[in-house]
Amino acid sequence: AQKITQTQPGMFVQEKEAVTLDCTYDTSDPSYGLFWYKQPSSGEMIFLIYQGSYDQQNATEGRYSLNFQKARKSANLVISASQLGDSAMYFCAMREGEGNDMRFGAGTRLTVKP
Amino acid sequence: NAGVTQTPKFQVLKTGQSMTLQCAQDMNHEYMSWYRQDPGMGLRLIHYSVGAGITDQGEVPNGYNVSRSTTEDFPLRLLSAAPSQTSVYFCASSYLQNSNQPQHFGDGTRLSIL
Repeated sequence: AQKITQTQPGMFVQEKEAVTLDCTYDTSDPSYGLFWYKQPSSGEMIFLIYQGSYDQQNATEGRYSLNFQKARKSANLVISASQLGDSAMYFCAMREGEGNDMRFGAGTRLTVKP
Repeated sequence: NAGVTQTPKFQVLKTGQSMTLQCAQDMNHEYMSWYRQDPGMGLRLIHYSVGAGITDQGEVPNGYNVSRSTTEDFPLRLLSAAPSQTSVYFCASSYLQNSNQPQHFGDGTRLSIL
């Protein structure tokens, strides 16, 4: 069964606007971590932000924030004030409990328009 | 600080050839893993290791072997390359047994099997 679902294969956003990238997950473990990675056209995987299942507040890292809705099992990435350099593939991932495996979604390709 | 180093960056093989993708990390991480990335499928786990001498299969292990003789190194072996193994391969590492740890990725190896 798919553990991480990203339903948006591609997204477009105007420069300086905010954009939300969707991610839903499936787990029965009460302890888990959710991660977002950015993959620019150069190919490397860049860690952006982390949200723990027991965290009371939504995670934020600069222009990145995570809209964590635990009951809905969603962990959407919000990028504020988009920049041209934000154009990339974005992956949502999850690690469960004491397990070490990280499961990834299929990714969303974000294009920022000038 | 090198982080996770993968070699080679690019490789072209003929069907039936063998090769080893190298991965080394200098962060003293116990957990290391190999992923393959194919279009529309995100990253899929091939094999992983929780320490020297310990390896296990991930989601797509067939056609690949691994070993972990030291904490630093985790090579991936293709014994008899097949066109279906054409992909981008990523090695990653992290600390062990904690779902809040992001994985640190190498820059990837782009492998083509003719």
